[in-house]
Amino acid sequence: DAGVIQSPRHEVTEMGQEVTLRCKPISGHDYLFWYRQTMMRGLELLIYFNNNVPIDDSGMPEDRFSAKMPNASFSTLKIQPSEPRDSAVYFCASSFGWGFSTGELFFGEGSRLTVL
Amino acid sequence: GIQVEQSPPDLILQEGANSTLRCNFSDSVNNLQWFHQNPWGQLINLFYIPSGTKQNGRLSATTVATERYSLLYISSSQTTDSGVYFCAVNPGAGSYQLTFGKGTKLSVIP
Repeated sequence: DAGVIQSPRHEVTEMGQEVTLRCKPISGHDYLFWYRQTMMRGLELLIYFNNNVPIDDSGMPEDRFSAKMPNASFSTLKIQPSEPRDSAVYFCASSFGWGFSTGELFFGEGSRLTVL
Repeated sequence: GIQVEQSPPDLILQEGANSTLRCNFSDSVNNLQWFHQNPWGQLINLFYIPSGTKQNGRLSATTVATERYSLLYISSSQTTDSGVYFCAVNPGAGSYQLTFGKGTKLSVIP
């Protein structure tokens, strides 16, 4: 099976521009997570979905960030307008179930965002 | 929230050496995973191990949930083992967030 697929792998943009990151979870997985990784803060959970429904977006830093999951095989994370402090690696991850003995998390390769 | 501490923070090994990485956590967990982030930034699953022992080739892991720690053993290390090893836990009880430790940075030199 293909793993979690993210695009683009690298994005360089200018401050104020809209950025859209895309994710295709592993087929059959019902949980999808968006994480952000920076040197200063490590890995942070931004938002997660269960069966395409956003469950907890308390990690989304500001209203400039939004995420959608229109179907079981696709999710987007959008930043509008982007700022230099948004520069980070954004990871998408998926799992089947969540709880004891289930919920093994698989990560995509990440999207490295640089905002100039 | 739950605290995750990993040790050592940095480790340099000669190729062929063995090592043990430790993860301590402050509360009971129902999910614990070990990941390897390679020098290209990819986060790779190593083990899903909320309790017990598992082995995969040169790597093995043990979690003693009652004592709130997990160990990752790397035997006969290779240069390709270099990178950062993360332990991540979830306390359950309605939490869906994996809390990551700060990682152990491993450098294996030829």
